[in-house]
Amino acid sequence: DGGITQSPKYLFRKEGQNVTLSCEQNLNHDAMYWYRQDPGQGLRLIYYSQIVNDFQKGDIAEGYSVSREKKESFPLTVTSAQKNPTAFYLCASSSSTGELFFGEGSRLTVL
Amino acid sequence: EDKVVQSPLSLVVHEGDTVTLNCSYEVTNFRSLLWYKQEKKAPTFLFMLTSSGIEKKSGRLSSILDKKELFSILNITATQTGDSAIYLCAVEAGGTSYGKLTFGQGTILTVHP
Repeated sequence: DGGITQSPKYLFRKEGQNVTLSCEQNLNHDAMYWYRQDPGQGLRLIYYSQIVNDFQKGDIAEGYSVSREKKESFPLTVTSAQKNPTAFYLCASSSSTGELFFGEGSRLTVL
Repeated sequence: EDKVVQSPLSLVVHEGDTVTLNCSYEVTNFRSLLWYKQEKKAPTFLFMLTSSGIEKKSGRLSSILDKKELFSILNITATQTGDSAIYLCAVEAGGTSYGKLTFGQGTILTVHP
């Protein structure tokens, strides 16, 4: 089945550690996105990529990094510089119609 | 800066009630407005609206866009407990960055039996 797979679903991290969230899609979409969701704040864009080997910062990129070495993959690294990383992270992809397709999300908790 | 505001932030109703969710926006070079339903994890697509005054309908859900007044509404008639979810409104700006959406805060809908 076509779709977006995020892993892990749940992740715990100690302060000062970097963690990487995986996102893989088999929809053959060019564009991929990372959003962060906090209670009462909707979804906020972290990074996005419209083509392999290229990506742009979203509204809240500080403390995060990404790579786009393959069309299918868009991993997100939450670095120790991110001051409040506990959140629900959603990966998405889109075709040229603009509709986003989302993964199931990864919930990160900093201990 | 693009901005999307949803209201109310939360709503509690009983089965059979009709609800109206609101979404207002400010965006440079508007391209489309989208509604999503999020029950537990992944938001699922409901509607994409690009033209004013044309209602989109899917079963008990319907939505309409007013590009002059910069808002959209999502109506749900004869609500059921399965409609309980967060409803997200998002706008897409024009230009080369297709699919780059700005989301509102979401409306949490709770439907009691």
